[in-house]
Amino acid sequence: DTGVSQNPRHKITKRGQNVTFRCDPISEHNRLYWYRQTLGQGPEFLTYFQNEAQLEKSRLLSDRFSAERPKGSFSTLEIQRTEQGDSAMYLCASSLPTGELFFGEGSRLTVL
Amino acid sequence: DAKTTQPNSMESNEEEPVHLPCNHSTISGTDYIHWYRQLPSQGPEYVIHGLTSNVNNRMASLAIAEDRKSSTLILHRATLRDAAVYYCILREQGAQKLVFGQGTRLTINP
Repeated sequence: DTGVSQNPRHKITKRGQNVTFRCDPISEHNRLYWYRQTLGQGPEFLTYFQNEAQLEKSRLLSDRFSAERPKGSFSTLEIQRTEQGDSAMYLCASSLPTGELFFGEGSRLTVL
Repeated sequence: DAKTTQPNSMESNEEEPVHLPCNHSTISGTDYIHWYRQLPSQGPEYVIHGLTSNVNNRMASLAIAEDRKSSTLILHRATLRDAAVYYCILREQGAQKLVFGQGTRLTINP
């Protein structure tokens, strides 16, 4: 499968714990994006990378959120001290410059 | 980012054409009109995009009004697998991210 891969697909955690999601983009894509989607809403942009450089961050990305893309390949999204409001689907996408975005199937986070 | 307006939901029957409208009255000259759809329990997927002229691909057709203030995504012969949320998005030329609205939830009746 050469699509965008996200792991884990589901994560249940207790409030206050840290969680990390991983995204493996399509190999030749140098753009990588993170979105968050809550039930009944469209995806909300969080951040995007061009190679290893994080070029834009949404105001939604609070200090508890950090994203990295070391070596410009896979990316991780870490949420520290999770809150119940962080429960959502976290979507990763990749693209060529100004090309269509290819999305993964998402990582669903439930914070108890 | 320029805004789009779509109906919250639409319903159609299998094997019939579906016309999904989108209004974007504040569109600028460099905004491309993109459509993505999101099937249940999946990430969004690209459907089609255009600037001024009507566009066709294997999935759908995009009809763009002459003044570009509205557009219509056309599914020529809907199947049950086309049931999804369809998002109409304006993307400025050269811009990277997509800004999603709430989209139109399309239901297809057998």
